[in-house]
Amino acid sequence: DGGITQSPKYLFRKEGQNVTLSCEQNLNHDAMYWYRQDPGQGLRLIYYSQIVNDFQKGDIAEGYSVSREKKESFPLTVTSAQKNPTAFYLCASIVQGGAGELFFGEGSRLTVL
Amino acid sequence: KQEVTQIPAALSVPEGENLVLNCSFTDSAIYNLQWFRQDPGKGLTSLLLIQSSQREQTSGRLNASLDKSSGRSTLYIAASQPGDSATYLCAVGGSSNAGGTSYGKLTFGQGTILTVHP
Repeated sequence: DGGITQSPKYLFRKEGQNVTLSCEQNLNHDAMYWYRQDPGQGLRLIYYSQIVNDFQKGDIAEGYSVSREKKESFPLTVTSAQKNPTAFYLCASIVQGGAGELFFGEGSRLTVL
Repeated sequence: KQEVTQIPAALSVPEGENLVLNCSFTDSAIYNLQWFRQDPGKGLTSLLLIQSSQREQTSGRLNASLDKSSGRSTLYIAASQPGDSATYLCAVGGSSNAGGTSYGKLTFGQGTILTVHP
């Protein structure tokens, strides 16, 4: 079945550590996105990539980094510079130039201890 | 800057009721509007997508309308069921431009938590 796979589902991190969240899609979608969700707030865009080897900052990119070496993969690294990293992270993808329907993965919950 | 507001923040109804969820946005220059469903601890599932040139979309018991000029959308759920209990999120995509746009750059509302009790 086609879809977006995020891993791990739950992740615990000590302060000062970098962690990487995985996002893989087999939908052959061009563009991929990382959103962050906090309780009581809407989703906020961290980074997005419309094509391999290219990506752009979203609204809250500080303390995060990404790479897009393959069309299928868009990993997100939460660095120690991110001051409040505890959140639910959602990866999404879309066919560029299509109707605009966004498909989401199941999310990764990061907790900083 | 686009802002999206959803009212009410939470709604509890008995099974069988028809209900309306509201979404408003401040900038009418949108490409599309999407309604999503989110179950606790899960990702988002797209329910309906309305292009800026459209007025409404329907899928089963769901109907979404769009009034771009007034910056409003409504999601109508007919004959609600306990399985409809979830958080419903509205999101708008920015308008296209000469340089192209990333259609996945959405601005989300905070969601409406719906509980349908038997």
